[in-house]
Amino acid sequence: GAGVSQSPSNKVTEKGKDVELRCDPISGHTALYWYRQSLGQGLEFLIYFQGNSAPDKSGLPSDRFSAERTGESVSTLTIQRTQQEDSAVYLCASSLARGLAGEQYFGPGTRLTVT
Amino acid sequence: AQSVTQLGSHVSVSEGALVLLRCNYSSSVPPYLFWYVQYPNQGLQLLLKYTSAATLVKGINGFEAEFKKSETSFHLTKPSAHMSDAAEYFCAVTIRGGTSYGKLTFGQGTILTVHP
Repeated sequence: GAGVSQSPSNKVTEKGKDVELRCDPISGHTALYWYRQSLGQGLEFLIYFQGNSAPDKSGLPSDRFSAERTGESVSTLTIQRTQQEDSAVYLCASSLARGLAGEQYFGPGTRLTVT
Repeated sequence: AQSVTQLGSHVSVSEGALVLLRCNYSSSVPPYLFWYVQYPNQGLQLLLKYTSAATLVKGINGFEAEFKKSETSFHLTKPSAHMSDAAEYFCAVTIRGGTSYGKLTFGQGTILTVHP
């Protein structure tokens, strides 16, 4: 079956512009996670969704970052007024249920470059 | 809060040699522990996980890891390395219960190089 998909695969944007990154989880997976992978910081948790609600937003680095999920499916991560330090690979993961901790299936990521 | 330390950012072995990738964790409550592998330009793939059943966990591609509570370790091993094992490996932890349940905290990663 289809895995987690993310789009775009690559995004180059100018400093100060807004960007939207999309994640399509595996069908039926109720839990969805966003992580960021960068050279300096490694893999960092950003936000977690259970259904359409986000009980844990503790990893969002600033108020320029926001995310939503609709229909217990697609999620969008939005970065406003991008900065060069936002350059990273943004990974999305989904799991069947929160209780199956760690059974997270990762997408290929979106590589964001802010120039 | 929980954390993970991977000892050695780069490990190099010869094909056929033992692979040992080290991971130590810190957690105030019983953890779940995982090893993920990342091939170039790909997402992470789960190799194996410890969730409080057997302390010796077997995963895909011949890898295994042993949970040692006394040493707070979860080292990854494979008896005989293959060229196809060359990748970056991440150890991760999550705690059971609470608002952080399911959120993975990753180590810094270890790049494994396999020489012919």
